[in-house]
Amino acid sequence: AQTVTQSQPEMSVQEAETVTLSCTYDTSENNYYLFWYKQPPSRQMILVIRQEAYKQQNATENRFSVNFQKAAKSFSLKISDSQLGDTAMYFCAFMKHAGNQFYFGTGTSLTVIP
Amino acid sequence: KAGVTQTPRYLIKTRGQQVTLSCSPISGHRSVSWYQQTPGQGLQFLFEYFSETQRNKGNFPGRFSGRQFSNSRSEMNVSTLELGDSALYLCASSSRTSSGSGEQFFGPGTRLTVL
Repeated sequence: AQTVTQSQPEMSVQEAETVTLSCTYDTSENNYYLFWYKQPPSRQMILVIRQEAYKQQNATENRFSVNFQKAAKSFSLKISDSQLGDTAMYFCAFMKHAGNQFYFGTGTSLTVIP
Repeated sequence: KAGVTQTPRYLIKTRGQQVTLSCSPISGHRSVSWYQQTPGQGLQFLFEYFSETQRNKGNFPGRFSGRQFSNSRSEMNVSTLELGDSALYLCASSSRTSSGSGEQFFGPGTRLTVL
């Protein structure tokens, strides 16, 4: 079975600062994908960043980057230059290489303070 | 391209009734997955349909069912509604066929309230 753990239910960060959200997972799979999704108050799930497990290089998307540690089964999200629009619930998710099912963590509620 | 659409956006039902939710995927996407989101249980996978066939199913009772039509639109049905079925139901559309993670796009959700 696959499990995803987000140990920080809530976090806050000052505007323009950097914040890191933690995620760990457990799987016996060797090939898989990891994702961070953002869910603002509108409840629309928005893909932030995606990492393929066979790629050693950490994924980056503008102000968002990940620290992927496959051996430690850790997948943290770093948000640089935080903006008010980053305020949202952030979900870490796992997907097997074969299949379309997400396994989600419980989420981290991030508040960016002006 | 139009995004994933879900109808209705809000729904209020009473216990014992049944409900049907609809999801129209992005044009060309053949995979539609459904998720239930509640404060207590978080995001849980219901099922996935691909080319009109249920390809994967989560751990939900038989009251939850779904189907997919030839145009890839999908419906999910919940019969004999219980208070605990109150949730946000999200559908996700993907171009993924077998292996390789096609990006998944979520709809805005249907908020179901059971009284």
